[in-house]
Amino acid sequence: TQLLEQSPQFLSIQEGENLTVYCNSSSVFSSLQWYRQEPGEGPVLLVTVVTGGEVKKLKRLTFQFGDARKDSSLHITAAQPGDTGLYLCAARSTAGGTSYGKLTFGQGTILTVHP
Amino acid sequence: EPEVTQTPSHQVTQMGQEVILRCVPISNHLYFYWYRQILGQKVEFLVSFYNNEISEKSEIFDDQFSVERPDGSNFTLKIRSTKLEDSAMYFCASTLGPKNIQYFGAGTRLSVL
Repeated sequence: TQLLEQSPQFLSIQEGENLTVYCNSSSVFSSLQWYRQEPGEGPVLLVTVVTGGEVKKLKRLTFQFGDARKDSSLHITAAQPGDTGLYLCAARSTAGGTSYGKLTFGQGTILTVHP
Repeated sequence: EPEVTQTPSHQVTQMGQEVILRCVPISNHLYFYWYRQILGQKVEFLVSFYNNEISEKSEIFDDQFSVERPDGSNFTLKIRSTKLEDSAMYFCASTLGPKNIQYFGAGTRLSVL
């Protein structure tokens, strides 16, 4: 079973601060996704990273995929109260055989940004 | 924008009863999934469905669970005899291909009493 360890589990910060969320595994993944989930809703995709060492930016969010494709980070600059939510990393494996797209999720990071 | 819709949003049932959770995937998508999220725990894969058959399932997806695409638009998850530990949020997802973005529905909260 491939596991994704996400940290921290909870993050409570003030508006304007920076933060980083980590997603680590001992397995190699073909791709890794970051989702955001609001209460009462399903996960919504923020970004997909595919290439080792890849960095993607989405406004104040910066996503990085580790060189070995085993880990990833999400960095938020100057956090705002609107960034509050549950952030999930998820990955597809590189296991042999046909892939039908199964996603393995981390346990999530609950971010609270106080005004 | 097309979306995955799930009904009902909340289902309350008695232990031992059968429940059917319904999903309408995005219309041109070919791969369909069910995931569940027990309160306070991670989202877990249950099953994937392609070409009218189960393509992959987890160890959670035992004989009590079944999936069906009865009419080309709905995708259902049936739990034959619910247990207390089946209480969770159940998410349906669909995608055009296994490497494409999976779009998730808003989920059905199942409460087994």
